[in-house]
Amino acid sequence: SQTIHQWPATLVQPVGSPLSLECTVEGTSNPNLYWYRQAAGRGLQLLFYSVGIGQISSEVPQNLSASRPQDRQFILSSKKLLLSDSGFYLCAWSPRWSGSGDTQYFGPGTRLTVL
Amino acid sequence: AQSVAQPEDQVNVAEGNPLTVKCTYSVSGNPYLFWYVQYPNRGLQFLLKYITGDNLVKGSYGFEAEFNKSQTSFHLKKPSALVSDSALYFCAVRDMKAGTALIFGKGTTLSVSS
Repeated sequence: SQTIHQWPATLVQPVGSPLSLECTVEGTSNPNLYWYRQAAGRGLQLLFYSVGIGQISSEVPQNLSASRPQDRQFILSSKKLLLSDSGFYLCAWSPRWSGSGDTQYFGPGTRLTVL
Repeated sequence: AQSVAQPEDQVNVAEGNPLTVKCTYSVSGNPYLFWYVQYPNRGLQFLLKYITGDNLVKGSYGFEAEFNKSQTSFHLKKPSALVSDSALYFCAVRDMKAGTALIFGKGTTLSVSS
């Protein structure tokens, strides 16, 4: 069966520090991968999605970036964190696109607090 | 533009009573609709989806949802609520412009009292 991992589970970082969040998927190949942010316990916002290694699409202009160095690894980064970057970051995967009905499966999330 | 609306921030029901969590959508073309549940500080869990076919979709944990094209709604229902159903529920629609990503509603908190 497929599983999705995220780490760290929680992170407290000062403003201006760098960020690296990691997401890995097991038990599948060539998944579509996604990063979402959930602010204040509600409202998921799509940040990035990827349909393959090195292929990243950005949905929201911001100081975050994403990379996909390996097929089942998705990394969210920032060079300098802002207070507004605080939130709950969720990674998700779906089977390689074969129709719009593919379900997305979410990881456990990373709680980021920027102080 | 595609969108999903969950008109209720919170729904309160007594254990054993039926529950409904409302969702309406706006899309061009055929909608692909999903329901997810989130427990505190956890990721989202998939409940059910509507792609095509029968308007009544059955999902996990006894939940079901009814697709109504004329009312552009996809309400989540359960015949008998449990205290353990208390959580945050999200309706979502496929974003046809962003690969296969989802557009989420703002979420509805379901509180089931014993």
